[in-house]
Formats: sequence, C-alpha cells, structure tokens
Amino acid sequence: AQKITQTQPGMFVQEKEAVTLDCTYDTSDQSYGLFWYKQPSSGEMIFLIYQGSYDEQNATEGRYSLNFQKARKSANLVISASQLGDSAMYFCAMREGVGAGGTSYGKLTFGQGTILTVHP
Amino acid sequence: ETGVTQTPRHLVMGMTNKKSLKCEQHLGHNAMYWYKQSAKKPLELMFVYSLEERVENNSVPSRFSPECPNSSHLFLHLHTLQPEDSALYLCASSPLAFGSSPLHFGNGTRLTVT
Repeated sequence: AQKITQTQPGMFVQEKEAVTLDCTYDTSDQSYGLFWYKQPSSGEMIFLIYQGSYDEQNATEGRYSLNFQKARKSANLVISASQLGDSAMYFCAMREGVGAGGTSYGKLTFGQGTILTVHP
Repeated sequence: ETGVTQTPRHLVMGMTNKKSLKCEQHLGHNAMYWYKQSAKKPLELMFVYSLEERVENNSVPSRFSPECPNSSHLFLHLHTLQPEDSALYLCASSPLAFGSSPLHFGNGTRLTVT
C-alpha cells in the first residue's frame, strides 16, 4: 500500500486565487512528520512547510498553510493568492519513526506529485 | 558556496560506460541520501548514509554503487546501466537530529542512458 497518496495529477488555478493540493498518508507510527516540497521545471526540490504529528496548530509559512486532519490522515497544502511563479510540481512527503528509538535516519517517503498550473 | 551541489547537471552515457555522479554539501549535515526520480513515479529512495556509513540500500541493482568518503561528499558510481535507468538523480542531506528538519536537495543530475 502506498504510504503517501496525492490523487490530483494536475490542478489549475487562476492567478490571485487560492488552491488546495490534497495529500493522504498511511502510517502506524504515533510520531511522524509531513513535508511539502515544490519542484519547478529546473528540477530543484524546494522545501515549503512542515507539520508534526503532535502539532496542535496547523502549520503556516507565508502564503502556504497546511490543513492537517489527523483522524482522516490528510495533510492538504493550501496556497493563497496564487502567483504565476507557483506553477510547478508539488510533492507531499512523510518521515516516520521520529520518536525516541526511531531508525528512519531522516528519510522521506514521497507521493506521486501534483502539477500545478497558475493561469494569468 | 552553500547548500547541496550536484555535478554534472546532465549526463549521457552508453550502456557499457562507467561514470560517477558527485554530490557535495556545505551545511554541516551528517546524513546523505540518493533518490531516483523517473517520469510519472514518486521519488524513490536508493541509499542512505549516516555518519559516512551506509544504513539503507533499497534493493538497488549492483550497477549502482554509492560511496561516502566523508560527511560532505557522496558519490554514485554507475556501470553497465540500462535504458530504464534514465532519470533525474537527486542527492539530499539532513542533520542527524533530523526531527522537523527537511531534507536539503541538490539540483539533480539528469541521466540519459543510450
């Protein structure tokens, strides 16, 4: 079974509008972290935002916010006031075993990605 | 220079060639990773190094051979590759006390096997 699922292969949004990119995850760990990355056509992976499993507040970083619903195991990325430069591939990723005695060595498991296109 | 640097950016090689990908990080991190990104597939973890020791090898064929001579450098040695090995190869690093620390990625090497 896939650990990270992004069901939207592609999304379109009008400039200045908000958009939500979906991510669901599967883990039996109690302590884990969720990350979102942006990958422009240049190939670089740019870290956007992090949510820990024990964080009570939804994470926010500028125009990025994370809609974290732990019971539903979803961690959707919300981009407000979209800009043309937001057009890129977006990846959701999970780090398991972050608790005491964990042996994940920090690795991340990634979803398939969502291509976001922002129209002027 | 800061961050994670990968060279070369692009590489075309025949199936009988031997080449190496290089990754260098100047972030003081002690964990380094190789990921493979093929079209229409999630990033696949290949290898993990922690304090220069290989701690994970995700069933990667032996034609890929990693090397981590020190905590700042990571290599991926390639030999007798197949066309399906054509992909973007991404190197990343993180501190050992990773917690909420993201992986820091290089720009990748775009590999084409002919």
